[in-house]
Amino acid sequence: EDQVTQSPEALRLQEGESSSLNCSYTVSGLRGLFWYRQDPGKGPEFLFTLYSAGEEKEKERLKATLTKKESFLHITAPKPEDSATYLCAVIPGNEKLTFGTGTRLTIIP
Amino acid sequence: KAGVTQTPRYLIKTRGQQVTLSCSPISGHRSVSWYQQTPGQGLQFLFEYFSETQRNKGNFPGRFSGRQFSNSRSEMNVSTLELGDSALYLCASSLVGSKTGELFFGEGSRLTVL
Repeated sequence: EDQVTQSPEALRLQEGESSSLNCSYTVSGLRGLFWYRQDPGKGPEFLFTLYSAGEEKEKERLKATLTKKESFLHITAPKPEDSATYLCAVIPGNEKLTFGTGTRLTIIP
Repeated sequence: KAGVTQTPRYLIKTRGQQVTLSCSPISGHRSVSWYQQTPGQGLQFLFEYFSETQRNKGNFPGRFSGRQFSNSRSEMNVSTLELGDSALYLCASSLVGSKTGELFFGEGSRLTVL
C-alpha cells in the first residue's frame, strides 16, 4: 500500500531559526512528489513538484529536495507569515494522489 | 482570473440524509478532483474527472459519487450520510490532470453530520 509519512507533526520555531520538514514515502512506481502549503480555513496551495532523486526546487525561503525514500522541505530564516501546515503528496503508479497528514509549522516573532 | 469555487461553504445534515456539493473549476481547466480532509486521516482522494469522464477513483464506498458537466463544473454526492462523513471536502482543478501535482484547490465545503 502506498504511504506517505510526514514528521514532525508540529514544529515551533523562532523567527529566523532555520529547520527542515521531512516527508518519507513508500510507493509503487513514484511518478512525482509535491509540496503544498495550507493556511487555516483555506485549500492547499501548490508549492513544488519533484520528479527524480537529486532534484531540488527553491522558492523564496523554501527549498525542497528529493531522495529515493524521502523529501525535505528546508525553510531558511523563516518569518511569521510562513506559519502554515505543509503537506507532502505523491503520485504512485496508480495515479491516485496520496497525501501525508502534514506538518503544522508555527513561526514565533 | 477567478479561482476554484465551491458551494456551499458550510452545511449541516443529519444521519441518513444525502448531500450534493458543487465545484466550479478555473476557466479552461478540464480536470476536477475531489478530496476528503479530516484531522485524523488527512487528505484522501475521492475521484477525478476529466472532460466528463471519471478518470480515477479512491477507496471510498459507493455512497460517494460524482459527475462532471460539459462546462467542466463538477458535483459530488454523498448518500445515506454517516457521522464519519463529517469532513472538509475539497475540490481541485488542473489543466491536464492531478498526476502533474499542480492542483488549484477551492476553499472547501465543510460538512457536519449530526
